[in-house]
Amino acid sequence: AQTVTQSQPEMSVQEAETVTLSCTYDTSESDYYLFWYKQPPSRQMILVIRQEAYKQQNATENRFSVNFQKAAKSFSLKISDSQLGDAAMYFCAYRREIIQGAQKLVFGQGTRLTINP
Amino acid sequence: NAGVMQNPRHLVRRRGQEARLRCSPMKGHSHVYWYRQLPEEGLKFMVYLQKENIIDESGMPKERFSAEFPKEGPSILRIQQVVRGDSAAYFCASSPVQGHGYTFGSGTRLTVV
Repeated sequence: AQTVTQSQPEMSVQEAETVTLSCTYDTSESDYYLFWYKQPPSRQMILVIRQEAYKQQNATENRFSVNFQKAAKSFSLKISDSQLGDAAMYFCAYRREIIQGAQKLVFGQGTRLTINP
Repeated sequence: NAGVMQNPRHLVRRRGQEARLRCSPMKGHSHVYWYRQLPEEGLKFMVYLQKENIIDESGMPKERFSAEFPKEGPSILRIQQVVRGDSAAYFCASSPVQGHGYTFGSGTRLTVV
C-alpha cells in the first residue's frame, strides 16, 4: 500500500525568506501523481501544486515549486518570498487509482507552517 | 459554477444520536468521495460513490457508518449512535468522469458531546 510521510510537524520562516517542506512516499507504481495541498484555518483544502511522475521537469506555480526525486521517492515543496498568507497546514498527497477515471488521495500527516513578520 | 457544497458547516451531536452530513458535488461531476480528518492529522479516505452505487468503501468503519449518493439529491454520510471518537472534520470531494479536477468542499466539523 502507498504511504506518504511528512517528517516535519512544524516549520517556521521569516517573511520574505524561502522555506522547504519535506515529503517522502512509498509506491511500487511507475506512473502516478503527487500533490501539495494548503489548509488554512478556514479548513478549505486548496491545491497548491501537482506533479506527474512521468514528467522529469519539476512543477512550478509562481512562488511555489517542487523538487521531485523519483528514484528517492521524495517530493519537497519550496516556497519562495514567504508571505503572511502562506501560514497554514500543508499536506503532501499521492493519488491512487481506484478504477479508471476515479482516484483516491493518500495524505501525509501535515506540516504546520508559521510565517514570522 | 458553484463548488462542492457541504452542509452543515458545523454539527453538534450528543453521544448516541445520529449525524447526517450532506454533499452536493460540482455541476458535471459524477464521482463523490468522503474523507475524514481527525484533529492534527491528514485526511483519510472513507468511501467513493457514483450515482446509486458504492464503488470503494475500504476506508469506512465497519459499523455505524454508511454513505449513499441517490439518483436525485446530495450524497449523504450517515453516522449512527455517534461516539466522542467520531468528532472530526468530514470532507467531501468530487471529480468529473474524465480528466483531473478533484475538488474539495469546505468540510463539516462534527463535535460529539
